[in-house]
Amino acid sequence: DVKVTQSSRYLVKRTGEKVFLECVQDMDHENMFWYRQDPGLGLRLIYFSYDVKMKEKGDIPEGYSVSREKKERFSLILESASTNQTSMYLCASKDPTEAFFGQGTRLTVV
Amino acid sequence: AQSVTQLDSHVSVSEGTPVLLRCNYSSSYSPSLFWYVQHPNKGLQLLLKYTSAATLVKGINGFEAEFKKSETSFHLTKPSAHMSDAAEYFCVVSPYNQGGKLIFGQGTELSVKP
Repeated sequence: DVKVTQSSRYLVKRTGEKVFLECVQDMDHENMFWYRQDPGLGLRLIYFSYDVKMKEKGDIPEGYSVSREKKERFSLILESASTNQTSMYLCASKDPTEAFFGQGTRLTVV
Repeated sequence: AQSVTQLDSHVSVSEGTPVLLRCNYSSSYSPSLFWYVQHPNKGLQLLLKYTSAATLVKGINGFEAEFKKSETSFHLTKPSAHMSDAAEYFCVVSPYNQGGKLIFGQGTELSVKP
């Protein structure tokens, strides 16, 4: 069974902290994505990666960075968390025809 | 630029009546198109996908969608709504030759009344 695992379901961090969100897939997919989901805005693409050590900015990369050192792991980094980064974060892994999503990490920045 | 527009942010139907969720896309070339569903506090699940084969695509739970290139639409339908269909639905486009990128619509919340 296909699996995309995000390390935390819920996270509370303080303003200014450096935050790491981890995502692991077990399907040997090349493409991985990070989205944030906010009510009324759908899912917005932050960054994606099409191979190890390769990354592309999505629509809203400001305030975020990513790391893909191994094929199965794609990390999202909030360099200095701010309250406007409070959101649901979703990781996805994709084969040529379908994307598979993790359960999401609900991040609250206080 | 590629984009997806879901024409209704909220749709309410009675159980047993038809469902129509509307989606229009813009894309330079023939894209792949998807519908995903998200039930409350659950992950995203693929309902169906169009990848340049048959224009009428059948998905899970009785849903189907028709790709109409002339209208740049990919509307989702179901003949008879069930209470368990209440969820948020996302129309998604994957443009040709963009590294598998997925572009989401804003979502349509479907309510089903008894």
